[in-house]
Amino acid sequence: EADIYQTPRYLVIGTGKKITLECSQTMGHDKMYWYQQDPGMELHLIHYSYGVNSTEKGDLSSESTVSRIRTEHFPLTLESARPSHTSQYLCASSAGLGHTDTQYFGPGTRLTVL
Amino acid sequence: EDKVVQSPLSLVVHEGDTVTLNCSYEVTNFRSLLWYKQEKKAPTFLFMLTSSGIEKKSGRLSSILDKKELFSILNITATQTGDSAVYLCAGGGAGSYQLTFGKGTKLSVIP
Repeated sequence: EADIYQTPRYLVIGTGKKITLECSQTMGHDKMYWYQQDPGMELHLIHYSYGVNSTEKGDLSSESTVSRIRTEHFPLTLESARPSHTSQYLCASSAGLGHTDTQYFGPGTRLTVL
Repeated sequence: EDKVVQSPLSLVVHEGDTVTLNCSYEVTNFRSLLWYKQEKKAPTFLFMLTSSGIEKKSGRLSSILDKKELFSILNITATQTGDSAVYLCAGGGAGSYQLTFGKGTKLSVIP
């Protein structure tokens, strides 16, 4: 079972603030992902990384940015938060070896922007 | 565009009932079909299926894939209140490590 951590778990902030959501995994997985999930809705991929210094945007357009300087760390940053960013953000990782597509998820960060 | 459709979207059953959740997919260069259980927080992995007709089983849960008809089912027998959750289905394609998720089936098991 993968160990993947996200902080903070809950965050309430005002409009215009800069925030960084942290995600770390201890499995040495090369692949990492950020999803956005609104209540009752499906997961939407917003960013992914296949290794250090590799980042790509996902299917859902997002104003956030990510970085991957270390294998275990994949933080997501919002430069200026807005109420439309209110959502749950889930980080995941996978080994991606051969047929192993299994992604393991962190506990999520529930973000509320006032 | 890849697509995963789950049905029903919600389901209410009594403890002890058996349920079948459905997942159909259209995934480019399909490689695997995954099932997750999501309670209040993050999805937890249940099964990954890559071969048609081979059942995967874990306790009261089982799943099977039909690659010809492009669907999978998740069965839960003798349901318990602890089975109440959203069950997510996701498809993965060869050449990409991304998964396409369905909207999920919300299962509520009442005593």
